Amino acid sequence: ELKVEQNPLFLSMQEGKNYTIYCNYSTTSDRLYWYRQDPGKSLESLFVLLSNGAVKQEGRLMASLDTKARLSTLHITAAVHDLSATYFCAVDIRNYGGATNKLIFGTGTLLAVQP
Amino acid sequence: DAGVIQSPRHEVTEMGQEVTLRCKPISGHNSLFWYRQTMMRGLELLIYFNNNVPIDDSGMPEDRFSAKMPNASFSTLKIQPSEPRDSAVYFCASSLRDILPQPQHFGDGTRLSIL
Repeated sequence: ELKVEQNPLFLSMQEGKNYTIYCNYSTTSDRLYWYRQDPGKSLESLFVLLSNGAVKQEGRLMASLDTKARLSTLHITAAVHDLSATYFCAVDIRNYGGATNKLIFGTGTLLAVQP
Repeated sequence: DAGVIQSPRHEVTEMGQEVTLRCKPISGHNSLFWYRQTMMRGLELLIYFNNNVPIDDSGMPEDRFSAKMPNASFSTLKIQPSEPRDSAVYFCASSLRDILPQPQHFGDGTRLSIL
């Protein structure tokens, strides 16, 4: 059974600081997604990572993928209050036919950026 | 550009009643997904369709749950009879299943409360 684990589950950080959220998964996959969810809202796609070594950056967020280690990271640089949200990683399950487009979501990391 | 549209946004009903949730995917998308989100279990995939055909319903919790996609622009998730433990936020998402993987786009969700 595919497991997707994120840590930490909760992160309180001060504005201007840097931090990293980790996403570990238990089976082979070369497609990983990061989403953001604001309280009471929908999920918004942030990044799509498609291969080993892939790195994507948008503003203060940078995501990377290491398929050999089955690990993705979401790095936050100089955090600002507007980044406060829950962040999810999601892994595409593969079968004999390749990627299925069926996503298994991690537990989520609740990020609170304090002024 | 319209996103994924779900209705109703909120539903409160009594145990034993039938509940029908509706979803209109983004035009042109050929994959549709139903998720359930709770504090205890996180975000769970219930069922997904490719080209209106159900591909994997292994996440559907019980026979009380059923989903249909009669055409490319409409899907329903039905619970009959409903129980208090079905209370959750139900999300519908759609994506374009193509050569290059695309992120899933989520609707605003239906917040369901079963009394």
